Amino acid sequence: DVKVTQSSRYLVKRTGEKVFLECVQDMDHENMFWYRQDPGLGLRLIYFSYDVKMKEKGDIPEGYSVSREKKERFSLILESASTNQTSMYLCASSSSTGGGYGYTFGSGTRLTVV
Amino acid sequence: RKEVEQDPGPFNVPEGATVAFNCTYSNSASQSFFWYRQDCRKEPKLLMSVYSSGNEDGRFTAQLNRASQYISLLIRDSKLSDSATYLCVVNQGGKLIFGQGTELSVKP
Repeated sequence: DVKVTQSSRYLVKRTGEKVFLECVQDMDHENMFWYRQDPGLGLRLIYFSYDVKMKEKGDIPEGYSVSREKKERFSLILESASTNQTSMYLCASSSSTGGGYGYTFGSGTRLTVV
Repeated sequence: RKEVEQDPGPFNVPEGATVAFNCTYSNSASQSFFWYRQDCRKEPKLLMSVYSSGNEDGRFTAQLNRASQYISLLIRDSKLSDSATYLCVVNQGGKLIFGQGTELSVKP
């Protein structure tokens, strides 16, 4: 089974802190994604990566950056956390760029910024 | 207009009922289509892919109409364990675009 592991289930951070959310997958997938999920807004794509050292902005990249130094690891960085970044963050991976394969998600990190 | 639109929920149905979810998408260049299921406070999980020819997996049947840009999911003989949010998902160039989801609650 593909496993996507997110380092924390629950996180509480203070406004202005730099926050790192880590995601690791164990199936040698090329593609990795970060989404946030909010009530009434659904899942929104923050950043994605199709290869090591490669990153692309999604629909809502403002206030975030990412790092992909190794194929299996994709980190989401909140440069200066704000209360409007309180959300559920979901990492996903897939083995195909444009084909018929879905994603496998990690179990999510529920981040609260106070 | 949202890229992927779903029926508003929640759907409250008795056990054994048949329930249908509908979804439309705006980008005709979309390449592949899926239904995901998300349980409360859990991550989305792939339920099934959707093909133009229609596909069935036990009590679940998915249909795709490319001309109308319309996707459907039919659940027959609903079980209590089917209670969840069902997400319509469209693949555009390798990125998955999610609908907001429709909540299903199956009651005894």
